[in-house]
Amino acid sequence: DAKTTQPTSMDCAEGRAANLPCNHSTISGNEYVYWYRQIHSQGPQYIIHGLKNNETNEMASLIITEDRKSSTLILPHATLRDTAVYYCIVRFSNSGYALNFGKGTSLLVTP
Amino acid sequence: DGGITQSPKYLFRKEGQNVTLSCEQNLNHDAMYWYRQDPGQGLRLIYYSQIVNDFQKGDIAEGYSVSREKKESFPLTVTSAQKNPTAFYLCASSRDRTGEDTEAFFGQGTRLTVV
Repeated sequence: DAKTTQPTSMDCAEGRAANLPCNHSTISGNEYVYWYRQIHSQGPQYIIHGLKNNETNEMASLIITEDRKSSTLILPHATLRDTAVYYCIVRFSNSGYALNFGKGTSLLVTP
Repeated sequence: DGGITQSPKYLFRKEGQNVTLSCEQNLNHDAMYWYRQDPGQGLRLIYYSQIVNDFQKGDIAEGYSVSREKKESFPLTVTSAQKNPTAFYLCASSRDRTGEDTEAFFGQGTRLTVV
């Protein structure tokens, strides 16, 4: 699975959009981009995933660049409950391997 | 409700004792996983299983053992051979069907403290 690079930490004001970047310059054509988040002392929670096209669901939007070497997770209206560690993961859909979590980005949403 | 359940939430053991952590899922998922998380770190894979009666070692399997006798259950035993067993343990499951992208569902974790 391709390696990812994320900033260690970010801040965002409540009500504003949080834009979390992820670099995955060695991604291959069959690898998906997944995003999970982990609120302190809880299990990670799936947010969204995509292959080539931008994706949106009730939680977030995922923007993948045309060359697929980077992506951005967007939380359109961040709330205090969005404070968590966000993990960007790249993997083959049928690799049979578990997700490879790095250290992620610690997002702090402030009042 | 469908989901994945880990028990207990907190567990204390004396050094040198084996301890088994429970993980049960009613999502009818084929694949199950065990991760370990240390303070300020990401998750590291211990073991995973794609099908009943089969499992593979992850990145840090030494000192741990698992079984997969039933689809719903994937217990993890932390043996006395594990040198630093105190950690947060997370279990996950996914459909893991070949050719389909799948998301993983996590339990709420078991925090193990060995004294």
